[in-house]
Amino acid sequence: AQSVSQHNHHVILSEAASLELGCNYSYGGTVNLFWYVQYPGQHLQLLLKYFSGDPLVKGIKGFEAEFIKSKFSFNLRKPSVQWSDTAEYFCAVKKAGTALIFGKGTTLSVSS
Amino acid sequence: DTAVSQTPKYLVTQMGNDKSIKCEQNLGHDTMYWYKQDSKKFLKIMFSYNNKELIINETVPNRFSPKSPDKAHLNLHINSLELGDSAVYFCASSQDPGGVNFGPGTRLTVT
Repeated sequence: AQSVSQHNHHVILSEAASLELGCNYSYGGTVNLFWYVQYPGQHLQLLLKYFSGDPLVKGIKGFEAEFIKSKFSFNLRKPSVQWSDTAEYFCAVKKAGTALIFGKGTTLSVSS
Repeated sequence: DTAVSQTPKYLVTQMGNDKSIKCEQNLGHDTMYWYKQDSKKFLKIMFSYNNKELIINETVPNRFSPKSPDKAHLNLHINSLELGDSAVYFCASSQDPGGVNFGPGTRLTVT
């Protein structure tokens, strides 16, 4: 079955630490890839997306993600996290004509 | 202008009641969705409509009935509410090959 896996359930970091959240998917063919963020009590916001082209995509708030087709991965990175990055992060995959399918999410807690 | 809007934002009701959540998008997208986010934050697709036609219906109880009067609206009606229906419900829309836009969510609490 098609699925999206996020390796880290809960990540705890200190401010200024580097972040990498793993995401793998099991879809074949052409896919569109997304990372969404959900701050406490708020709705989903799009961090970044990959459709085609340069596999290294830059998003808002200093986040970036790298698409590695051979590994079916789309990992999210940030060189230096801030306390305000504390949130739930979701990787999601979409094929044309289908719904967006989410991973189970990673809770990021950043201490100041 | 809000791209995808939902009403109400909060909904508190008792078991056994029937309630509806409304969703509207002004993006001109052909496809709309309902997602459920449970207490563990897991987001799961419930329904998908394309041009008012149901195209995805995941294993959702029959008590949940989506209705799309036109392609800009997708409402969710829930009959005989149960405690386990408590969740945040997100409406979304998309237009291939674009991304998916989400509404602000409706927090449903069943007591």
